[in-house]
Amino acid sequence: GQQVMQIPQYQHVQEGEDFTTYCNSSTTLSNIQWYKQRPGGHPVFLIQLVKSGEVKKQKRLTFQFGEAKKNSSLHITATQTTDVGTYFCAGINDSWGKLQFGAGTQVVVTP
Amino acid sequence: NAGVTQTPKFRVLKTGQSMTLLCAQDMNHEYMYWYRQDPGMGLRLIHYSVGEGTTAKGEVPDGYNVSRLKKQNFLLGLESAAPSQTSVYFCASSGRTAAQFFGPGTRLTVL
Repeated sequence: GQQVMQIPQYQHVQEGEDFTTYCNSSTTLSNIQWYKQRPGGHPVFLIQLVKSGEVKKQKRLTFQFGEAKKNSSLHITATQTTDVGTYFCAGINDSWGKLQFGAGTQVVVTP
Repeated sequence: NAGVTQTPKFRVLKTGQSMTLLCAQDMNHEYMYWYRQDPGMGLRLIHYSVGEGTTAKGEVPDGYNVSRLKKQNFLLGLESAAPSQTSVYFCASSGRTAAQFFGPGTRLTVL
């Protein structure tokens, strides 16, 4: 079964609004990565978080790694139509040895 | 610098036919991966390679074989295609940073 869970699966956002997508694991992760996939495209790496409690920003995107290293979030401020796509988190832990992807959050932005 | 390329982009097979998907990367990456993407399932790892001449099974390896005879190429083979293998296939590669770079994908339909 899926080791990394993402919620929500689907998010409909009005342009200009903020939203957050969450990623959860039942086990401690050594690091977590976030990817974005535009409709019809391929996943593109956004960022990697390694440290407990780490927060990183990329313009309007804020990524956070939980203190227990079991969860992560992506917050987008003032959503734009260019933010449309599916956002995947992917985690790795010592026992898995490989990246495990969540099912993704599909974001639709209404002008 | 093309990054990761995949051929073909689209393919339709009949049940029982065989085919090979080719992935090539020009970033001198050690690690290469094959994923399949199905609606609501995220990305699932089929096989991966940690270097030239090595391969290993991922999460869903049954019905697929791989080879990595050259560092820059990673081939995915389907010996006897089944309708359950209808999917979008992505190849990816990574170097020391662990960020994965994806190819544009191959859309495969098995009738």
